[in-house]
Amino acid sequence: AQSVTQPDIHITVSEGASLELRCNYSYGATPYLFWYVQSPGQGLQLLLKYFSGDTLVQGIKGFEAEFKRSQSSFNLRKPSVHWSDAAEYFCAVGARTNAGKSTFGDGTTLTVKP
Amino acid sequence: DTAVSQTPKYLVTQMGNDKSIKCEQNLGHDTMYWYKQDSKKFLKIMFSYNNKELIINETVPNRFSPKSPDKAHLNLHINSLELGDSAVYFCASSQERTGGGETQYFGPGTRLLVL
Repeated sequence: AQSVTQPDIHITVSEGASLELRCNYSYGATPYLFWYVQSPGQGLQLLLKYFSGDTLVQGIKGFEAEFKRSQSSFNLRKPSVHWSDAAEYFCAVGARTNAGKSTFGDGTTLTVKP
Repeated sequence: DTAVSQTPKYLVTQMGNDKSIKCEQNLGHDTMYWYKQDSKKFLKIMFSYNNKELIINETVPNRFSPKSPDKAHLNLHINSLELGDSAVYFCASSQERTGGGETQYFGPGTRLLVL
C-alpha cells in the first residue's frame, strides 16, 4: 500500500521569501503524485501533478515540484511567496494499480509573515 | 456553474440523530468520493463510487452509508451520530477510474458538529 509523509506540520515564511514544502512517499513503483492546496474554509484545489516524463512539474499560482525517485520525494517550491499563499498544503500519492485511490499526507500549514 | 456542490454547508445536531449530506457534480465525471477531515486537518478517504458502483470502502463504521442514485450524485447518510463524527466531510469527483491517477475536484465541505 502507498503512503505519504509531510515532515513539516507548520512552516512560516516571510512574504517574498522562497518556499519549499517537503513530501516523501512510499510505493513500490513510480506513483502518481499530486499537490493540493486548501484555503481556509474551502475545499482542496489541485496545484500540480506528476504522472511521467519531465521530473520538474509546473503548476498554477507559480508553484513547481520536482520528482526525485532516488529520494522518494516530491517537494513543492515557490520562488517568492505571496500573502495569499497562506493555506494548508497536501501532498498525495496515487497507486497505478489501485482503482481511483489517492492517499493524502497529513498536510503542512503555511503561514506568511508580512 | 458550481462544479462540485455539497449541502448543507454546516450541520449541527445532537448525538444519536440520523443525518444526510448531499453531493452533486456537474462535471460529467464517473467517479465520486467522500473524505473525512478531522480537527487536525487529516484527510482520509471513506468511500468511492464509479458509475454508481462502490469501488472503495475504507474502514468506516457501518453507521455511514453512501448512496449513489446516479453518477452525478453521491449522498452520505449517517445513523446514530456520535461525538467523534464531528469533522468536515468533503465530496470529490474525478473523470474516471484510472488507478489513482485522476485529478480530483473537491466540494466546499460540510462542517458537521455533533453535540
